[in-house]
Amino acid sequence: DQQVKQNSPSLSVQEGRISILNCDYTNSMFDYFLWYKKYPAEGPTFLISISSIKDKNEDGRFTVFLNKSAKHLSLHIVPSQPGDSAVYFCAASPTGTASKLTFGTGTRLQVTL
Amino acid sequence: IAGITQAPTSQILAAGRRMTLRCTQDMRHNAMYWYRQDLGLGLRLIHYSNTAGTTGKGEVPDGYSVSRANTDDFPLTLASAVPSQTSVYFCASKGQGSSGELFFGEGSRLTVL
Repeated sequence: DQQVKQNSPSLSVQEGRISILNCDYTNSMFDYFLWYKKYPAEGPTFLISISSIKDKNEDGRFTVFLNKSAKHLSLHIVPSQPGDSAVYFCAASPTGTASKLTFGTGTRLQVTL
Repeated sequence: IAGITQAPTSQILAAGRRMTLRCTQDMRHNAMYWYRQDLGLGLRLIHYSNTAGTTGKGEVPDGYSVSRANTDDFPLTLASAVPSQTSVYFCASKGQGSSGELFFGEGSRLTVL
C-alpha cells in the first residue's frame, strides 16, 4: 500500500521553463511534507519542506504547494536549469521528532538545453 | 567533513553469505535509519533507531537486523543474503528537534548473486 505516490516516473522540461512535480498521499495523519533531490551515485539531499499549516513555501527557484483537502502537493522549479536534472522524491510524516518519513517512488526530471 | 559515512560503497555477495553494511555519523544525531532504494519502489524504510540502545522495524525489515550500541554507529546486517536483497542501501540520520529533515549517506550498492 503506497501511502505516498508520485505517478509520473519521469518528466522532461526545457531549460528556462517551469518544472512541476506532483505527489499524492493517502494517510490523513501526514502533516509534514518534504522534497528530496537525488543525483546518481549520491545520497538524497533535502530540498524544501512544508507544514500542513501552510499551503505554500518558497525557497529561491523552488516552491512547494500543498492542497490538504486533495491530499496533493507539488514542487515547482522556475526557471529550470540543467543542474536540476535529478530524481526527486516526495516524503511525508506525521508530526513529531520520532516520526518516520514515508517516501514516494520518485520522479526523474530531465532539463534539456 | 561532518556527515554520514557508509561502507562498503559497493559489494557483490554470494547468496547465503552474511553481510554487514556499516554506517557512522559524526553529527551526534539521535535518530538513524536504513532505507533501500529499488527502481519503481522509491525509498523504503528497513529499520530505524530513535536513540542509542533502541531499534524498531520499518516497512521491509525481513531478512535484516540492526543494532545501536552507541550514538554514532548503526550497522545493518543481512544474516543470509538472498538475490531479492540486491539494492542500494542508504543510511540516514535526523537531529533532535528536527521535524523530518534527514541527512543521507552516499549509499551502499549490494548485489546478491
